[in-house]
Amino acid sequence: QVQLVQSGAEVKKPGASVKVSCKASGYTFSNHDINWVRQATGQGLEWMGWMNPNSGRTGYAQKFQGRITMTRNTSTSTAHLELSSLRSEDTAVYYCTRRQGGSRWFDPWGQGTLVTVSS
Amino acid sequence: DIVMTQTPLSLSVTPGQPASISCKSTQSLLHNDGKTYLYWYLQKPGQPPQLLIYEVSNRFSGVPDRFSGSGSGTDFTLRISRAEAEDVGVYYCMQTKEPPVTFGGGTKVEIK
Repeated sequence: QVQLVQSGAEVKKPGASVKVSCKASGYTFSNHDINWVRQATGQGLEWMGWMNPNSGRTGYAQKFQGRITMTRNTSTSTAHLELSSLRSEDTAVYYCTRRQGGSRWFDPWGQGTLVTVSS
Repeated sequence: DIVMTQTPLSLSVTPGQPASISCKSTQSLLHNDGKTYLYWYLQKPGQPPQLLIYEVSNRFSGVPDRFSGSGSGTDFTLRISRAEAEDVGVYYCMQTKEPPVTFGGGTKVEIK
């Protein structure tokens, strides 16, 4: 079945960087954009950006421009999200999700990766 | 950016009774390709969001028929015809008509 499995929880200090991985299985990785969405504890969903695994092309939410990078490894069907210059407000669960091509829905979602930024 | 506003913030529903959630967008979600890119998700406690409804009114695979979506342009509604205990969680609307993708603030549904 189509599945996205994310890397484990991370604890980082302010100013550091974090890299979260998302391994896809059950479908052709190159055929669907991967999007990243985050959720602070008790808060709503915030879209961060997208990546086309075939071309590597990306689009980022303006809020994160300059400190976000999305990459992929097509040989392992894995997408990566890197966020730099971390601050306490970046403490959240980070989700990867697959975008359906024609209809643009997001499904499935990874299980989420908790990133805690604390000194 | 397209702002999505959901009401109410929270809802307490008796099992077997109907429930309704509203979602309004600041711009029409009708794309020039003829599709309206409005979706509904349910996030159960401790889980990622799960897709319920796509393109306003289409139930996703495996979604019970007690869930229905309606609306057009900037006004949309999710309805639960007969609430069940398993429907508890936070419901979000989402638009993908244009970037950035934006979500409503969420409606927390509790079953009495």
